[in-house]
Amino acid sequence: AQSVAQPEDQVNVAEGNPLTVKCTYSVSGNPYLFWYVQYPNRGLQFLLKYITGDNLVKGSYGFEAEFNKSQTSFHLKKPSALVSDSALYFCAVRDFTNAGKSTFGDGTTLTVKP
Amino acid sequence: DAGVIQSPRHEVTEMGQEVTLRCKPISGHDYLFWYRQTMMRGLELLIYFNNNVPIDDSGMPEDRFSAKMPNASFSTLKIQPSEPRDSAVYFCASSSSGTTNQPQHFGDGTRLSIL
Repeated sequence: AQSVAQPEDQVNVAEGNPLTVKCTYSVSGNPYLFWYVQYPNRGLQFLLKYITGDNLVKGSYGFEAEFNKSQTSFHLKKPSALVSDSALYFCAVRDFTNAGKSTFGDGTTLTVKP
Repeated sequence: DAGVIQSPRHEVTEMGQEVTLRCKPISGHDYLFWYRQTMMRGLELLIYFNNNVPIDDSGMPEDRFSAKMPNASFSTLKIQPSEPRDSAVYFCASSSSGTTNQPQHFGDGTRLSIL
C-alpha cells in the first residue's frame, strides 16, 4: 500500500522569505512523486514531479522539490515566497507498479503575508 | 487543450432528489477519476476508470452513489437519493497511461449543496 503524510496543516511565511512544505511517503517500490496546488474555487493543478534522476526537481512558478530516498521525503521549496503563492498544496505518490491511482496527502495551507 | 470540463459548476437541490454530475476528460486520456473534497475528510478518491472500465470503486460511500463511463469522452456520477451529508465539491480528473509518470489533470469541480 502507498501513503503520503503532510505533517503541517498550515505554513505561514513572510513575503520574500524562503518556504518549505513538507511531505513524506511510503511505497513498496520506486515512487513517482507529485506536487499539486489548489487555488480557491479551482481544481488541483500540477506543479512538478519526481520520477528518477536528479534529486532536485524544478517546476512551475519557481517551485522546486527535493527528493530524499533515505528519509522518504519530497519537500516542496521556493527561495522567495510571493503573496500569490498562498494556496492549498497537495503531495501525491504513485507506486511504480500502479499505472493509474495516486494517493494524495491531506494538504497544507500556505499563507504568505506581505 | 480545453482541459477537463465538469458540469454543472454549482448544484443546489433538496434532500431526496437525484443528482447527476458530468465530466468530459481530456481527449486521449484513458484514466478518469472522481474525487470528493470536504473540510472534514479532505480529498477522497471515489472511483476510477481505465479505458471506460471501472477499476476501483472502493471509495464510493454507499449504494446511493453510482458512476458510469459510456465512452471515452464522458462520465457521470449520480447520487440517488441525495442527503445533506453528500454536500461537497466533486472533482473529476483524467490522465494518460502513455507512461506511468503522468500527472492527473483536474476539472474545476462541481460544488454540490443538498438542503
